[in-house]
Amino acid sequence: GAVVSQHPSRVICKSGTSVKIECRSLDFQATTMFWYRQFPKQSLMLMATSNEGSKATYEQGVEKDKFLINHASLTLSTLTVTSAHPEDSSFYICSASWGDGYTFGSGTRLTVV
Amino acid sequence: AQSVSQHNHHVILSEAASLELGCNYSYGGTVNLFWYVQYPGQHLQLLLKYFSGDPLVKGIKGFEAEFIKSKFSFNLRKPSVQWSDTAEYFCAVANAGGTSYGKLTFGQGTILTVHP
Repeated sequence: GAVVSQHPSRVICKSGTSVKIECRSLDFQATTMFWYRQFPKQSLMLMATSNEGSKATYEQGVEKDKFLINHASLTLSTLTVTSAHPEDSSFYICSASWGDGYTFGSGTRLTVV
Repeated sequence: AQSVSQHNHHVILSEAASLELGCNYSYGGTVNLFWYVQYPGQHLQLLLKYFSGDPLVKGIKGFEAEFIKSKFSFNLRKPSVQWSDTAEYFCAVANAGGTSYGKLTFGQGTILTVHP
């Protein structure tokens, strides 16, 4: 139980375009979801916390107008990288709180060319 | 702000060797502690967690960790590693209360390579 499905696993986009990443909870309702970013050989950095039906809470230094998060239902949260640039290339991971722990998506490798 | 530090970036062992991965955190409040493992090409999986009670926690696949509050440490151990333990290991800390409840802070990760 407590599976989070993240899609796509890999995406390559042109600079200036937008990319949407989806995170779905398959067998439970995820009231709270978290979005992380992981640079090569570095740790996962929390970008934002999203709660169903309300605005996301962004961590300091994360541009909320660039990384749009929508959590419109209890099973779906999306992260849209708007006007992507090469420096946005990274590994993005979503997570949902479940029970007394967390479950993670498999991640999305974004490459902006 | 809380932070998590893992002592080693890359550990290389032979099968049957013992493993200890260090993790220290800095935070003044009550915390919940986790170790996650990420096998190549797969998502993060929970190895074990500590919330309260016995500071020696046993997890899956023979792993255990000990919470030493006075040292702000939560080191991961395994008596005898296997080739299949080759993966990246992350220590993580979550606030157990307050306005930042539930936010996970991760360590830098430790890559474990086990040679057969």
